[in-house]
This record gives sequence, structure tokens and C-alpha cells, in this order.
Amino acid sequence: EAGVAQSPRYKIIEKRQSVAFWCNPISGHATLYWYQQILGQGPKLLIQFQNNGVVDDSQLPKDRFSAERLKGVDSTLKIQPAKLEDSAVYLCASSPDGAGEQFFGPGTRLTVL
Amino acid sequence: AQSVAQPEDQVNVAEGNPLTVKCTYSVSGNPYLFWYVQYPNRGLQFLLKYITGDNLVKGSYGFEAEFNKSQTSFHLKKPSALVSDSALYFCAVRDQTGANNLFFGTGTRLTVIP
Repeated sequence: EAGVAQSPRYKIIEKRQSVAFWCNPISGHATLYWYQQILGQGPKLLIQFQNNGVVDDSQLPKDRFSAERLKGVDSTLKIQPAKLEDSAVYLCASSPDGAGEQFFGPGTRLTVL
Repeated sequence: AQSVAQPEDQVNVAEGNPLTVKCTYSVSGNPYLFWYVQYPNRGLQFLLKYITGDNLVKGSYGFEAEFNKSQTSFHLKKPSALVSDSALYFCAVRDQTGANNLFFGTGTRLTVIP
């Protein structure tokens, strides 16, 4: 079974630029999550989708971050404009439902200069 | 509100010795608890979970965890450490309100010394 795929794996941008990350969850997984993991900290949930609907985006900085999962499969996370403090690893995870184990992708390491 | 504390940033243990990585939690209601491991440049991998039932939970790679309700702890253990166990370990508690989100601790870096 293929795992959660993410791209790119690494991205370096300058502050005020835009960036987008892509995630393809495990086939058949209805729930998709985006996490931000700052160096030295645990992952922090940004947004949770159930199929193509948003379940929880309370921790998403909506003035600069946006995410979508239009067809209930792939998802993109965008930052516009980026700030220095957005430097982090962005993890995507999926689960068959919203209650059990989450399966994580390898992450995208973003560096904002 | 739910929270997880991992009091040790770093744990060092000699190969072959038993290891313990500590975790305490705070949650309303019954806790759903998880351990994940993160190797360099890789995503988090699920190790084990406690939902209900036996307090001793067995997971992947020979790891186990003991749920202690009175001490609100969920410590990760392994009888004999391997060098390959060296990684970053995260404890997490699940929010049982509508969104069922995971709240992670800050992580403990385990180093197994040959």
C-alpha cells in the first residue's frame, strides 16, 4: 500500500513570496490533516478535512495560509505571503476516519529567508 | 483543554539496556493516547495507541507503553534498546470533541549508545 505522498520535499523562498505544498493521501482515506512542525516542537494541527469539507481550521492563520481539497483526494496548502516564522516542516497525514491512527507523509521542509 | 508533557528533551541509554520515554497528559474524559517515532528526514510513524482495555499496550518494533490513570501517564518502554531505536519520539493525546484532533508533546530525542 502506497503511503502519503508530499511534494516538494524541500523549498527555500524569500519572505513575502508565495509557496504551495501538495499532498496525496492514502487511497480511500477520508480524513486529511496538515500540520506545522517548527524545529524543536511537536506537530501542530493547521487544518483537518473530512472528504472535501473542512472539519477544523481554528489554528490556520487565515490571513496568509489557505488550503483546499477540492475533489476529496489531493490537497494543497498555500502560504502567501510567507514570513520568516513560517520556516518549518509541513506534514500531511491521512486516516480512514477521523478517529484512529493517522498516517504521515515525509513532510516538506520550508525555509524562509 | 488537552495537553501532553514530555519532561525529557533527551534520553540516552546503552544498547541492550531497557529504555523508558516519559509522557504525562491532561484531558477531559477518557484519554486516547498515542506514541509516534520520527526518523531524520522522514514523517512520523505510528508505534502504538491506548484506547481502552489493558493498561499495557504492545506496539511496533518491540515497544510497549503503560497507561496509568492515577498518574495520568503513558510512558513508552522497551526491554532492550537497539542502536536503530535512536530517533525522536512523540506522545500525543486525541481530542474527543467533534474534530478528534491529535495534540502532540514536544518530543524526546532517544540516543542508544553502542
